Amino acid sequence: VQLVESGGGLVQPGKSLKLSCSASGFTFSSYGMHWIRQAPGKGLDWVAYISSSSGTVYADAVKGRFTISRDNAKNTLYLQLNSLKSEDTAIYYCARGRLGVAYWGQGTLVTVSS
Amino acid sequence: DIQLTQSPSTLPASLGERVTISCRASQSISNSLNWYQQKPDGTVKRLIYSTSTLESGVPSRFSGSGSGTDYSLSISSLESEDFAMYYCLQYATYPLTFGSGTKLEIK
Repeated sequence: VQLVESGGGLVQPGKSLKLSCSASGFTFSSYGMHWIRQAPGKGLDWVAYISSSSGTVYADAVKGRFTISRDNAKNTLYLQLNSLKSEDTAIYYCARGRLGVAYWGQGTLVTVSS
Repeated sequence: DIQLTQSPSTLPASLGERVTISCRASQSISNSLNWYQQKPDGTVKRLIYSTSTLESGVPSRFSGSGSGTDYSLSISSLESEDFAMYYCLQYATYPLTFGSGTKLEIK
């Protein structure tokens, strides 16, 4: 199982960013997928989940601002981040589901700052 | 939301020592609890799922137990590579929630 995130960077408050997670080593379409984040020096914080049939669930802190999606043909998971706030600054990890969270990627850093 | 209270936040220990980390849920989570290890480079690895099932490839010195609201992770004989951060996660209901973490450090 390999999960590789990309798309992080420095962005101004109020702006948008789209993260990607390229998956390999398993049948991507068969698994639910998560995004989890970790602010600098802080603990792990679950963000969003998309099922294999594309049903979605969000944490209250991001609901209405972030959108999780997937492209099974490309074996890729996405996270669209809109109306970004300074408190969204974190490393964003994608992870494969099944009995909670199983395999994790290495993460991509998103920094929200003017 | 289900709150997970993880303790201790810091655990000084010596090589070869046995240690235990606790995780208490604000309501019953029916054994839907995992344990994760995070290394300083950010790499996160699942050690145990469903309270007590060891992930493939994880050394047998790691074990998990618990039921209802109280769960624990034990390491029977610490090795150098075990000094890291540890987190519990409940997946009984959404939103998924993590414990606040335990830093296992060398005494």
